[in-house]
Amino acid sequence: SQKIEQNSEALNIQEGKTATLTCNYTNYSPAYLQWYRQDPGRGPVFLLLIRENEKEKRKERLKVTFDTTLKQSLFHITASQPADSATYLCALDEDAGNMLTFGGGTRLMVKP
Amino acid sequence: DAGVIQSPRHEVTEMGQEVTLRCKPISGHDYLFWYRQTMMRGLELLIYFNNNVPIDDSGMPEDRFSAKMPNASFSTLKIQPSEPRDSAVYFCASSLFPPGDGYTFGSGTRLTVV
Repeated sequence: SQKIEQNSEALNIQEGKTATLTCNYTNYSPAYLQWYRQDPGRGPVFLLLIRENEKEKRKERLKVTFDTTLKQSLFHITASQPADSATYLCALDEDAGNMLTFGGGTRLMVKP
Repeated sequence: DAGVIQSPRHEVTEMGQEVTLRCKPISGHDYLFWYRQTMMRGLELLIYFNNNVPIDDSGMPEDRFSAKMPNASFSTLKIQPSEPRDSAVYFCASSLFPPGDGYTFGSGTRLTVV
C-alpha cells in the first residue's frame, strides 16, 4: 500500500506570505491526488484534486503541483491569512479506484 | 443538502459495552467510507461501500467491529465489545465516482471508552 509523508512539524509563517506544504509518496503513482483542510473538532474538507496527467491546478489563492517523477505534490497558499491556519492533509487513491489513503497532515499557523 | 450527518457527536461508554455509530450520506453519492482518526495513526480507512455493498473491510481492526449499509441513506458502525483502545474520532464520508469533488466528511463521532 502507499506510504504518504507529510511534514509532521507545524509550519509557521507570517500573514501575506506564501505557504508551501509538501506531500511525498512511495510505490506507484496514483491516478489522482487530493488535498483537504481540517480544523480542530471538524471533519476534513475537500480543497483540490489533481490528476496524474495534470502538472498544476489552481483555485483562488490555492495552487497544487503534481510531479510523478519525484513522487511529490506541493500545495501552495498565496497571500496567506490567519484564517488559513489549519491542518492540511494530502490523500491518494490506492488503485485508481475510489479508496483514499491519507497522509498524517501538516499543521499551518499563519501569524498576523 | 445538509451534508453527511453523523450521530452521536460524542459517546462515552464503559469497556465491554456495545457502541453503534450512525451515518447518513449525501443523497446520490454511491460510495460511503468509515475512517478512524487518532493522534498516533492519523486517518485510517476501516471499510467502504459501493452501492450499499461492502467492498473492502481490510482496515477493520478485528471481529469486534462490524459495519452495515442496509440502504443508500444509512450506515452503521458497531463495536462489540468496546475497549479503551477503540477511543478515537470516527468519521463517515461519502462521494461519487470519479471523485471530482472529493469526499464529503461528516463532523465525526468522538468515542471515549473508559
